[in-house]
Amino acid sequence: DAGVIQSPRHEVTEMGQEVTLRCKPISGHDYLFWYRQTMMRGLELLIYFNNNVPIDDSGMPEDRFSAKMPNASFSTLKIQPSEPRDSAVYFCASSPRGLGNEKLFFGSGTQLSVL
Amino acid sequence: AQSVTQLGSHVSVSEGALVLLRCNYSSSVPPYLFWYVQYPNQGLQLLLKYTSAATLVKGINGFEAEFKKSETSFHLTKPSAHMSDAAEYFCAVSNTGANSKLTFGKGITLSVRP
Repeated sequence: DAGVIQSPRHEVTEMGQEVTLRCKPISGHDYLFWYRQTMMRGLELLIYFNNNVPIDDSGMPEDRFSAKMPNASFSTLKIQPSEPRDSAVYFCASSPRGLGNEKLFFGSGTQLSVL
Repeated sequence: AQSVTQLGSHVSVSEGALVLLRCNYSSSVPPYLFWYVQYPNQGLQLLLKYTSAATLVKGINGFEAEFKKSETSFHLTKPSAHMSDAAEYFCAVSNTGANSKLTFGKGITLSVRP
């Protein structure tokens, strides 16, 4: 299994531009999570999906952030317009049966720099 | 509400020395507890998890953790540090409730001196 695949690995953009981060979860995993990692706030859960349906987006910082999961093998996290404070590492993770005692499988992350 | 506290941001040990990384949790219902490790430029990997079976949990790479309800703690230990253990370690908590979310601590960076 290839694991959770994220693209791009690095993204550098200018303030005001639209940024799209992509994630392919492990096949057969019903849950998909988007996390953001910063020095100040650590790892924060932004949103998660169950069977392609968004369940909890309470961690999405503001309306500039949106996430979609059009099918079981693909998800996007979009920031429009981007701001320098959005600079962080964004991780996608998936799990076979969801929360509770389930192990999360993480991708390698996207390092986003907004200038 | 649930949370974990990892005191300090950096621990440094000598190779061969005991590793002790502390984690205290807060949860209104019985918790599930996890330790994840993150190597440079990689995603997090599960080291071990506690799910209300044995209180002493053994994980990969020689790590173990003990659940102590009276102390609300889940400290991570390894008897003898290896250079390859240098990484960032995260404690995390979820619970048995429906749609419980995994909440991570701030993480601790472990350095291993030769």
